[in-house]
Amino acid sequence: AQKITQTQPGMFVQEKEAVTLDCTYDTSDQSYGLFWYKQPSSGEMIFLIYQGSYDEQNATEGRYSLNFQKARKSANLVISASQLGDSAMYFCAMRGNYYTGANSKLTFGKGITLSVRP
Amino acid sequence: GAVVSQHPSRVICKSGTSVKIECRSLDFQATTMFWYRQFPKQSLMLMATSNEGSKATYEQGVEKDKFLINHASLTLSTLTVTSAHPEDSSFYICSADRRGKGRTEAFFGQGTRLTVV
Repeated sequence: AQKITQTQPGMFVQEKEAVTLDCTYDTSDQSYGLFWYKQPSSGEMIFLIYQGSYDEQNATEGRYSLNFQKARKSANLVISASQLGDSAMYFCAMRGNYYTGANSKLTFGKGITLSVRP
Repeated sequence: GAVVSQHPSRVICKSGTSVKIECRSLDFQATTMFWYRQFPKQSLMLMATSNEGSKATYEQGVEKDKFLINHASLTLSTLTVTSAHPEDSSFYICSADRRGKGRTEAFFGQGTRLTVV
């Protein structure tokens, strides 16, 4: 079974500052993928970044980076230079059997609400 | 990037009627699609896995006869909420898996906000 834990209460960050959103996971799979999604008030799920369990380097996508610490089973999202448009709900998710492409479900955390202050 | 289109984005229906929600992968073939339900400020709750050409696999506690899923082609899955009641009011969102280069990526539709009155 897979489990994603996001325990932070609502987060607040000042515009232009960096913020870290925490995510820890638990799985017995050796091969898995970790994902972060952003969900603004409109409801759409926007893919931000992913990290494969065998990837040695931390993933980066523009202002987003993933602080992957495999031994600690954590996959924190770092957003640099926050913008007002970053205010949204953020979900950490994982999928097992990621590299094999086998049919597997995404497991989501409960999400974190981020509010960016001007 | 890949696009998944979900329609309608909003629907209001009367109690007792049925509502059909469509999920289409526009530029790739999706053998597997997923349907989620989401309550305000909560996470996505997986309802069922839709496999093209076969019966959907429902999660525990999800009524099969209530939430009918059909995956008739490699680009279309539908969710029909039958005999809708106010407690079925929720946000429903689909995703489609695209496999390539040994990886599987999920692409989400825009979601459907269902209100049953």
